[in-house]
Amino acid sequence: SQQGEEDPQALSIQEGENATMNCSYKTSINNLQWYRQNSGRGLVHLILIRSNEREKHSGRLRVTLDTSKKSSSLLITASRAADTASYFCATSNFGNEKLTFGTGTRLTIIP
Amino acid sequence: DGGITQSPKYLFRKEGQNVTLSCEQNLNHDAMYWYRQDPGQGLRLIYYSQIVNDFQKGDIAEGYSVSREKKESFPLTVTSAQKNPTAFYLCASRNRERIDQPQHFGDGTRLSIL
Repeated sequence: SQQGEEDPQALSIQEGENATMNCSYKTSINNLQWYRQNSGRGLVHLILIRSNEREKHSGRLRVTLDTSKKSSSLLITASRAADTASYFCATSNFGNEKLTFGTGTRLTIIP
Repeated sequence: DGGITQSPKYLFRKEGQNVTLSCEQNLNHDAMYWYRQDPGQGLRLIYYSQIVNDFQKGDIAEGYSVSREKKESFPLTVTSAQKNPTAFYLCASRNRERIDQPQHFGDGTRLSIL
């Protein structure tokens, strides 16, 4: 089952602009993770935010988590052509070794 | 360099044939996972293993089988019972020492039907 739903499904922006994508989930979580997937490749972990955290930064990435609304957002600032990829959120439930992935947002950066 | 190696990169299956996808990791991770990804979709869990000689079914295990005889290796067999095997298959591993460790992925195997 896929718990997360990403919004939008696809996003195209000009290089240098900021990109925001959102993730909603259904059940209580231990943490939420964001991954990037370049075309035809595996996933690369970007950032993890725990359920007791509200915001986290890593370089040009900013993640927020609102557990009351069961939602998260990923902001990529000053986008670059190399940021073109699909982005997935994944949730980890308490006492569970598994991750549940969302459907992904396909981001295209226009040079 | 440590990482996860999946092979082959492309695989073709004939009708009624079983095929095995290889996944090897040298990260010393206890947990390993197999996912299926269909075009434009997220990842769905097929099987996972938390320790050698033990594995559990994921959400879509029917038509697949796995083994975990060595810590480094977690091969996936797509059996003839899997009627729609065409997909991108991803293997991942994770360090279980802490609950918030992320998964590390290989570069996938693309399986197609001849």
